Amino acid sequence: EAGVVQSPRYKIIEKKQPVAFWCNPISGHNTLYWYLQNLGQGPELLIRYENEEAVDDSQLPKDRFSAERLKGVDSTLKIQPAELGDSAVYLCASSSGQGAPDTQYFGPGTRLTVL
Amino acid sequence: EDQVTQSPEALRLQEGESSSLNCSYTVSGLRGLFWYRQDPGKGPEFLFTLYSAGEEKEKERLKATLTKKESFLHITAPKPEDSATYLCAVQALEAAGNKLTFGGGTRVLVKP
Repeated sequence: EAGVVQSPRYKIIEKKQPVAFWCNPISGHNTLYWYLQNLGQGPELLIRYENEEAVDDSQLPKDRFSAERLKGVDSTLKIQPAELGDSAVYLCASSSGQGAPDTQYFGPGTRLTVL
Repeated sequence: EDQVTQSPEALRLQEGESSSLNCSYTVSGLRGLFWYRQDPGKGPEFLFTLYSAGEEKEKERLKATLTKKESFLHITAPKPEDSATYLCAVQALEAAGNKLTFGGGTRVLVKP
């Protein structure tokens, strides 16, 4: 079974430019998460989707970050405009939404460098 | 607020030298405690879920244990391929949507 797929794996951009990350979750997983991971730290949740609905976006900086999951499968996370402090790894995870606790499975991440 | 603290931050071991990693947590009620392994340039890989104090789980050279305030990840006779960052995360009973709170991780280097 394929795991969580993310692209691109690496992205280097100039500050003030836009950038987008794509995620395809594990087949059948209704819940999708976007995390931010800074160097030497654990992941921090940005947004969580239940199917198409963003049910927890309290940690998403809404002035420059946006996300969508139009058909309840793939998701895109966008930053516009990017700032130097946005350099980090952006991780996508998915879970079945069943069971307590519900195990989250992570993709390989996108490493963003803002110059 | 849920908090997770991992120690040590880094651990250097000789091959075969057993050791333990600590994960201390503060949560109003624990739904589950998770251990993940993360290799450089990769996403976290799920290892274990522990649900209640006294529970233990094993996988190859790894054994995870849980008390009411902390969890330990024991690495027995480690090999160089066990080198990675080990992340601990908790999920609270009242956590909305299975929210995980992660610790900062322990970077383990096993030298041959």
